[in-house]
Amino acid sequence: GAVVSQHPSRVICKSGTSVKIECRSLDFQATTMFWYRQFPKQSLMLMATSNEGSKATYEQGVEKDKFLINHASLTLSTLTVTSAHPEDSSFYICSARDRYRQGNQPQHFGDGTRLSIL
Amino acid sequence: GQNIDQPTEMTATEGAIVQINCTYQTSGFNGLFWYQQHAGEAPTFLSYNVLDGLEEKGRFSSFLSRSKGYSYLLLKELQMKDSASYLCAVRVSLSGGYNKLIFGAGTRLAVHP
Repeated sequence: GAVVSQHPSRVICKSGTSVKIECRSLDFQATTMFWYRQFPKQSLMLMATSNEGSKATYEQGVEKDKFLINHASLTLSTLTVTSAHPEDSSFYICSARDRYRQGNQPQHFGDGTRLSIL
Repeated sequence: GQNIDQPTEMTATEGAIVQINCTYQTSGFNGLFWYQQHAGEAPTFLSYNVLDGLEEKGRFSSFLSRSKGYSYLLLKELQMKDSASYLCAVRVSLSGGYNKLIFGAGTRLAVHP
């Protein structure tokens, strides 16, 4: 089945550090990838939609200069949290949509990255 | 605006049946999904409804009424491993052929022996 690999699974770093998270579709092409953030006991909140070869579309309230997204190929999107602060600590999850399958399972999720900023 | 409501928590007994409800008010409705999420893990797909009616997949069934903005997920023969959060998500179509999923806050189900 479709697999999305997300790396790293956990990051602990100091305040002010920039952190890059990778999301790869392993056995399908993903023209669109999605980045979500999830705080404890809350649901997934869409941060941005990443389209291959074009600029990402950010949801209202998400700072595009803070959360840099690059989708340079059909199998890779990256999210960089720039100058991270403790309030950025969260569970970040990516998902990818199969280019050729738009039906009943449009998004395949990665395993998530738990980011902890000290 | 877009709004999805589901109960925060539910408890049930092993072997029993539980129904998790979801109501939504969205524009551009284009399908409803149920996901299971264990703590600290990514969501896994359970079911999809785009037309009214019941979809059955083994121990899990999902129902949709588009006119009422209502769905439920039915879990039968509950097992301890079914203890998890269950997320209701609505796919909405926006201008330019752009789709996105909007998630409810999730229902935490605890299954007891």
